[in-house]
Amino acid sequence: QSVLTQPPSVSAAPGQKVTISCSGTSSNTGNNYVSWYQQLPGTVPKLLITDNNKRPSGIPDRFSGSKSGTSATLGITGLQTGDEADYYCVTWDSSLRAVVFGGGTKLTVL
Amino acid sequence: EVQLVESGGNLVQPGGSLRLSCAASGFTFSTYWMTWVRQAPGKGLEWVGNIKQDGSEKYYVDSVKGRFTISRDNAKNSLFLQMNSLSAEDTAVYYCARTPSGGQTLDYWGQGTLVTVSS
Repeated sequence: QSVLTQPPSVSAAPGQKVTISCSGTSSNTGNNYVSWYQQLPGTVPKLLITDNNKRPSGIPDRFSGSKSGTSATLGITGLQTGDEADYYCVTWDSSLRAVVFGGGTKLTVL
Repeated sequence: EVQLVESGGNLVQPGGSLRLSCAASGFTFSTYWMTWVRQAPGKGLEWVGNIKQDGSEKYYVDSVKGRFTISRDNAKNSLFLQMNSLSAEDTAVYYCARTPSGGQTLDYWGQGTLVTVSS
């Protein structure tokens, strides 16, 4: 059971938009930055979003991050089949004094 | 170019020990926190722990506290994970990752090394 709650799966059609939620508490998402990672099948995880909403160099602006209260959201617009992957939210947990990952969300582009 | 190369993964018996290494290049290793993350077969990512630039602070996930130790050798641009009292639940691919600010941002990852705990 992950400290951060993500939906196990989401799906949408090519060209559409999808959002992936990440729910936590005041000990983690509520008071600390959230990052998002993409793991394409069989590959190493890749940083998509850092500090709630910042995209590292090279990440397309189709990917966006936001946070409100204890929930963070990853948004992906203009979906492509190449976006099919597992997506993870991550943050620091001040009570656990540890970094915590969400359980991951599998995105299917129908 | 930033490169992280893990090594040391192997098949080990329950109760055994293993030491993983991560060789870093392409950046000033001594100025970054470093992190270990693992992924059991078919499962999600799990943060294992991290270490401050000078090794003075280390944090671990509860499930490895007292069994795993993270260390580093800045002179050799290397990160280590000493794993003791291994169990089947520790079977996973272990990744090292560069950590710019000591927290949840892991901006470069190695390719991982597989640790299998089985008799």
